[in-house]
Amino acid sequence: GQNIDQPTEMTATEGAIVQINCTYQTSGFNGLFWYQQHAGEAPTFLSYNVLDGLEEKGRFSSFLSRSKGYSYLLLKELQMKDSASYLCAVVDSNYQLIWGAGTKLIIKP
Amino acid sequence: DGGITQSPKYLFRKEGQNVTLSCEQNLNHDAMYWYRQDPGQGLRLIYYSQIVNDFQKGDIAEGYSVSREKKESFPLTVTSAQKNPTAFYLCASSMGREPDTQYFGPGTRLTVL
Repeated sequence: GQNIDQPTEMTATEGAIVQINCTYQTSGFNGLFWYQQHAGEAPTFLSYNVLDGLEEKGRFSSFLSRSKGYSYLLLKELQMKDSASYLCAVVDSNYQLIWGAGTKLIIKP
Repeated sequence: DGGITQSPKYLFRKEGQNVTLSCEQNLNHDAMYWYRQDPGQGLRLIYYSQIVNDFQKGDIAEGYSVSREKKESFPLTVTSAQKNPTAFYLCASSMGREPDTQYFGPGTRLTVL
């Protein structure tokens, strides 16, 4: 079966750094997406990785290791508005998107 | 402004009634998708369409139906055959080419009483 694992919930402090991990076991791999979803709202695109390594975009970075079936999203200089769920999704061999359950990130002042 | 719209934001229906959720996009995207989101679960694909007049079942299509008569529109009907229809429904669209990023509408929260 296909499986994507993310921690259910994480807590961090405003101004700090947090790393949200995602491990996957899928039939093939054609890329990995990270989305941010505020409560009651639509997911919004954050990043896409298809090659190994780190992609940096402002305060957010995403890392991929295809050999380990592992990715992480790194959030720096946390702000209260970063309180949201973060969804990891993998494109499988059929180019279908397989979604993780999401990680709820709580930022404390 | 280009984007995806879903209406209404909140919808209440009585058990046993069919209900149609609207999804429109003006991004000129070829592919469109319907997902269902329940608390504590990942997005689950109901139906998707890669081209006008064609669509495929996703993982949880039972109790749902769709049509794709126009490129811009992909309405979802939740029928009375759907056992647990109360959920947050999200529509998305994409270009249909790699990396095929999906962009989401604001969602419709359906409550069946």
